[in-house]
Amino acid sequence: DAGVTQSPTHLIKTRGQHVTLRCSPISGHKSVSWYQQVLGQGPQFIFQYYEKEERGRGNFPDRFSARQFPNYSSELNVNALLLGDSALYLCASSWQQGRYNEQFFGPGTRLTVL
Amino acid sequence: TQLLEQSPQFLSIQEGENLTVYCNSSSVFSSLQWYRQEPGEGPVLLVTVVTGGEVKKLKRLTFQFGDARKDSSLHITAAQPGDTDLYLCAGAQRNAGNMLTFGGGTRLMVKP
Repeated sequence: DAGVTQSPTHLIKTRGQHVTLRCSPISGHKSVSWYQQVLGQGPQFIFQYYEKEERGRGNFPDRFSARQFPNYSSELNVNALLLGDSALYLCASSWQQGRYNEQFFGPGTRLTVL
Repeated sequence: TQLLEQSPQFLSIQEGENLTVYCNSSSVFSSLQWYRQEPGEGPVLLVTVVTGGEVKKLKRLTFQFGDARKDSSLHITAAQPGDTDLYLCAGAQRNAGNMLTFGGGTRLMVKP
């Protein structure tokens, strides 16, 4: 079975631009979460979606938005990019929003903002 | 201040040595997960612990969840160069919708 897939793998943007990152969860998984990982740090939670509804949001500005589609894939959008948005963006899927919430991560999208 | 404090941040040891990584918090977690991550890749789940005092073993790796479910440790016996990676702990809290909060990570280097 395929794992979590993300596209693109790498992206270079300039300040002020907009970016859309995409994620396909493991087949059968209904929950998708997004994380930002700045170099040298642990991942920071951005969003969680379950059954196409937002179930959680981390401490990120409104420039960050996301959505989940009927096939459970997801998009993360970032508007008005800042240099500080440069990071590895990780998508994780889990079967449900359950107690143990074991999450399986994709390879990430490396975003560089110049 | 991070909710989950990992220590040490960096660890450089010789092949064959033992090591322990700690993950500490003042908060209670419903579960705690350990991941390892290669540079430029996504974290890979190693283990999930859910019961206070629980111990799980994965070959040379031993994971322990504190009795009060506020802390955890990862012990590696006879480390090998292939163990070189970033190790991350992540906790889920029921009153936070079971979203994962990650520690800052421990970068381990095992020299041959």
